[in-house]
Amino acid sequence: QVQLQESGPGLVKPSETLSLTCTVSGRSISSGDYFWSWIRQPPGKGLEWIAYMYISGGTYYNPSLESRVTISLDTSKNQFSLRLTSVTAADTAVYYCARGHNYWGQGTLVTVSS
Amino acid sequence: QAVVTQEPSLTVSPGGTVTLTCGSSTGAVTSGHYPYWFQQKPGHAPRTLIYDTSDKHSWTPARFSGSLLGGKAALTLSGAQPEDEADYYCLLSYSGARPVFGGGTKLTVL
Repeated sequence: QVQLQESGPGLVKPSETLSLTCTVSGRSISSGDYFWSWIRQPPGKGLEWIAYMYISGGTYYNPSLESRVTISLDTSKNQFSLRLTSVTAADTAVYYCARGHNYWGQGTLVTVSS
Repeated sequence: QAVVTQEPSLTVSPGGTVTLTCGSSTGAVTSGHYPYWFQQKPGHAPRTLIYDTSDKHSWTPARFSGSLLGGKAALTLSGAQPEDEADYYCLLSYSGARPVFGGGTKLTVL
């Protein structure tokens, strides 16, 4: 069974870059034609899809975040990552990584504050 | 970007049946939107219940089922249990491979 675990700073200053990593276990991220996703949820609000990437290289971003987001894969470490630049308080959320839309990490809270 | 709409809240009696719906601002929801349904309990990550309109995971309780109904995606819960009280989100995929979540339905079992 595939398992995912998010990691990264829990506090980021406004205007700085948010960087998160998702470590995948139980399955190689190189196996199968899956896509690897990032989703977020502001406190008390609904889910928002951020981005996903296929191992074959196809990458898709939420149009509202596209100018600030980068997703990347590191097959040697069985990880994938998210970078979100120029963050504001509106980017405060629980960030989830997922394989496709079916297997989710437990989420990590990132707060944007000075 | 399309807007995906869900009932903000619904209430069902224990043992009762309830249907949650998921509509699209672009028109009728079809199987080509590959509807997903997720259950989220407080403090927990979402859990996928239904994918591709009506397919279930091994962990999906049999009392949950997915379908298309009246131009919307639907999640039906038959025989509600207290542990089904949760937030439910749908997800639709659009051209250009950009998925959009609905705003969620808060389901109360009372």
